[in-house]
Amino acid sequence: GENVGLHLPTLSVQEGDNSIINCAYSNSASDYFIWYKQESGKGPQFIIDIRSNMDKRQGQRVTVLLNKTVKHLSLQIAATQPGDSAVYFCAETSSGGGADGLTFGKGTHLIIQP
Amino acid sequence: KAGVTQTPRYLIKTRGQQVTLSCSPISGHRSVSWYQQTPGQGLQFLFEYFSETQRNKGNFPGRFSGRQFSNSRSEMNVSTLELGDSALYLCASSLRGRNTEAFFGQGTRLTVV
Repeated sequence: GENVGLHLPTLSVQEGDNSIINCAYSNSASDYFIWYKQESGKGPQFIIDIRSNMDKRQGQRVTVLLNKTVKHLSLQIAATQPGDSAVYFCAETSSGGGADGLTFGKGTHLIIQP
Repeated sequence: KAGVTQTPRYLIKTRGQQVTLSCSPISGHRSVSWYQQTPGQGLQFLFEYFSETQRNKGNFPGRFSGRQFSNSRSEMNVSTLELGDSALYLCASSLRGRNTEAFFGQGTRLTVV
């Protein structure tokens, strides 16, 4: 099946800087995307979602950008804090049928340096 | 509002045994999905239940099964356990499934020895 993949397995940023985590997807039928944060020993935590009829969506300190032309998704975290250290997953699904489960990328480990 | 609750948190079983994991979704949520997470394969979809019916199924062998009760609580069962079944099993709850926000529990860490 088609998979969602991530460009970088590890991203290291300075505390206070902005972080950008990228994700590529290959299923052109995907129309709903979610970013999750997973801390060690915990389940994935919902951060923000976006539907394919939007290009950008903002939350608290986070922004998700969707470029359907190149099938690319990004998560921007403003003013990163130590608590942002975690593995971040993008996930996608399509409403067009088939398994409705989320397809996850491999994850990016975000490390915040003091 | 209480979150998604999975029990037990940790489990150790031997090869050949069977195991049952439980998930209580967020109150009012009717869709429960199960995922397997391993370091090598990442997060993979097992199946989804909605209103007591399996609505979708991922690419796992028939040893993996589940069910959902009238109160939306769900169980998944793995029979004839193999070493490769060692993983974190996650349950996700959503209002309707299908492109609605999905919230995960803490997971059950299954170790097969």
